[in-house]
Amino acid sequence: DVKVTQSSRYLVKRTGEKVFLECVQDMDHENMFWYRQDPGLGLRLIYFSYDVKMKEKGDIPEGYSVSREKKERFSLILESASTNQTSMYLCASSLSGVSYNEQFFGPGTRLTVL
Amino acid sequence: KQEVTQIPAALSVPEGENLVLNCSFTDSAIYNLQWFRQDPGKGLTSLLLIQSSQREQTSGRLNASLDKSSGRSTLYIAASQPGDSATYLCAVATLSGGYQKVTFGTGTKLQVIP
Repeated sequence: DVKVTQSSRYLVKRTGEKVFLECVQDMDHENMFWYRQDPGLGLRLIYFSYDVKMKEKGDIPEGYSVSREKKERFSLILESASTNQTSMYLCASSLSGVSYNEQFFGPGTRLTVL
Repeated sequence: KQEVTQIPAALSVPEGENLVLNCSFTDSAIYNLQWFRQDPGKGLTSLLLIQSSQREQTSGRLNASLDKSSGRSTLYIAASQPGDSATYLCAVATLSGGYQKVTFGTGTKLQVIP
């Protein structure tokens, strides 16, 4: 079974803090994704990575950056947290290829920025 | 731009009933469609993945169908149980800028009443 883990289930930070969200997958997947989920807006893609040290912007990258130094780990960074970044953050991974492959999700991190 | 709609947004049924959840999408040039389940405050669990060349997939009491030409998919749940209560999301994969792009619907919240 694919396992995708996220470093924290719940996180509370203050405005202006630098925040790191970590995601690790154990199935040697090439692709990794960061989404945020908000009521009424569904899941929106922030960034994704298709290989180590490679990254691509998703639909809402503003205020975020990412790091992929190792294949199994994909980090989401909030350079200066703001209250509008309070959300549920979900990480996912999948095999590579032009054909879409099944995405597997982590348990999510509920981030509150005060 | 792909848009994915799920109707109804919420559904309440008595235990034992068969039910159908709907998903529609605007761009029929999809690679695949995936159905997920999400429990409150949790991540997404993959239920079924339908490749673009397939018409349906089955897993236990679940059956998902795909009609690309009409831009529709349905998730059929037989003999519903209280444990089926969750939010069900569909996600459509397309090719965008050389990469797979997944667009999610906002979900149908299902409540199965004992």
